[in-house]
Amino acid sequence: GQNIDQPTEMTATEGAIVQINCTYQTSGFNGLFWYQQHAGEAPTFLSYNVLDGLEEKGRFSSFLSRSKGYSYLLLKELQMKDSASYLCAVSVVYNFNKFYFGSGTKLNVKP
Amino acid sequence: DTEVTQTPKHLVMGMTNKKSLKCEQHMGHRAMYWYKQKAKKPPELMFVYSYEKLSINESVPSRFSPECPNSSLLNLHLHALQPEDSALYLCASSPRTGSYEQYFGPGTRLTVT
Repeated sequence: GQNIDQPTEMTATEGAIVQINCTYQTSGFNGLFWYQQHAGEAPTFLSYNVLDGLEEKGRFSSFLSRSKGYSYLLLKELQMKDSASYLCAVSVVYNFNKFYFGSGTKLNVKP
Repeated sequence: DTEVTQTPKHLVMGMTNKKSLKCEQHMGHRAMYWYKQKAKKPPELMFVYSYEKLSINESVPSRFSPECPNSSLLNLHLHALQPEDSALYLCASSPRTGSYEQYFGPGTRLTVT
């Protein structure tokens, strides 16, 4: 089976930096995706890691360590609109590359 | 055009009704997905279509019936649903099945009374 863990909820201050962790235990790992989802809306794609290291996209960065089964999403210069749930999803190489989603981390950004 | 559209946005149906959800994309993607999402839970995969053929059925009850008429369209036919089927139904597409990002539609909020 697949096991993906994220913290349930985090709180951070506007302008600060926050790191959201995701750990996974999967067989056939093929890549890790981060999505942002505002309440009642569809998930939107943020970033993708398949090799170890850091991927940077503006205020968002994502890191992957395949040997440790660990990823994090780093959000810099937090804005109020960053208040949302952040979903970590793992793609596995067999069975048409299904996505397995973590339960999501609800981020609350305070003024 | 990087958009996945879904209709309707909201749907209320009785347990004896038959209704359909529709999904459309014009990105040339050849993989399309149906997910079900309950409040405060992650999306749960229901079906995957690859090149208009059903590739994955995650043991979904037969009261949900997917259909892929062509490479741009995906339907989900609903019949004799239960109140516990009330959820947000999300459609997604990706260039192919594989390690590609999936683009999600806005979802249909379904309430079964």
